[in-house]
Amino acid sequence: TQLLEQSPQFLSIQEGENLTVYCNSSSVFSSLQWYRQEPGEGPVLLVTVVTGGEVKKLKRLTFQFGDARKDSSLHITAAQTGDTGLYLCAGRLSNDYKLSFGAGTTVTVRA
Amino acid sequence: NAGVTQTPKFQVLKTGQSMTLQCAQDMNHNSMYWYRQDPGMGLRLIYYSASEGTTDKGEVPNGYNVSRLNKREFSLRLESAAPSQTSVYFCASREMTGSAYEQYFGPGTRLTVT
Repeated sequence: TQLLEQSPQFLSIQEGENLTVYCNSSSVFSSLQWYRQEPGEGPVLLVTVVTGGEVKKLKRLTFQFGDARKDSSLHITAAQTGDTGLYLCAGRLSNDYKLSFGAGTTVTVRA
Repeated sequence: NAGVTQTPKFQVLKTGQSMTLQCAQDMNHNSMYWYRQDPGMGLRLIYYSASEGTTDKGEVPNGYNVSRLNKREFSLRLESAAPSQTSVYFCASREMTGSAYEQYFGPGTRLTVT
């Protein structure tokens, strides 16, 4: 059983549409991160959120950390084909060197 | 500044063979990690090294050993490879930014055990 559950597992949308990916847990995290991974490459950090209720924007991507610091969401507005990839959330429990990763959401944006 | 580098990029082993996966980082990070990635399971931590001279087991350490050779290098060894170890292996290093930790990943090693 994974500490972080991501949904949906797969998402296929048309270019220009919006999408939301969810990351949920019963544990409280001191910080939560989102990574994007493209085929044949390692994950690349997109954002880190540390405060409950925090919202961060990165161009067309909006990240939200839940008030209780147990969940997070990633929203992409007007998706582009370049947004295609595997999106991973990862959380750090307090005083822990380790990150726990979700299983990932594979996003495909069709032209 | 190459970041995190891993060798080899691809490897095929027969059951029972041994090999060492190499990882190096040039960012002067203290902490380094080895993960494996399997379809539908995300990244699972095998071993980590919080600082030079220390190593600790992660979530799935069985069948693996590690060596933190110096601050830059962290290697992962499979003593007797098994088909269940077929996976993509990622090395990462970490820096602390504010109150959070940010990990930087290498490009991965794709290992097949037949």
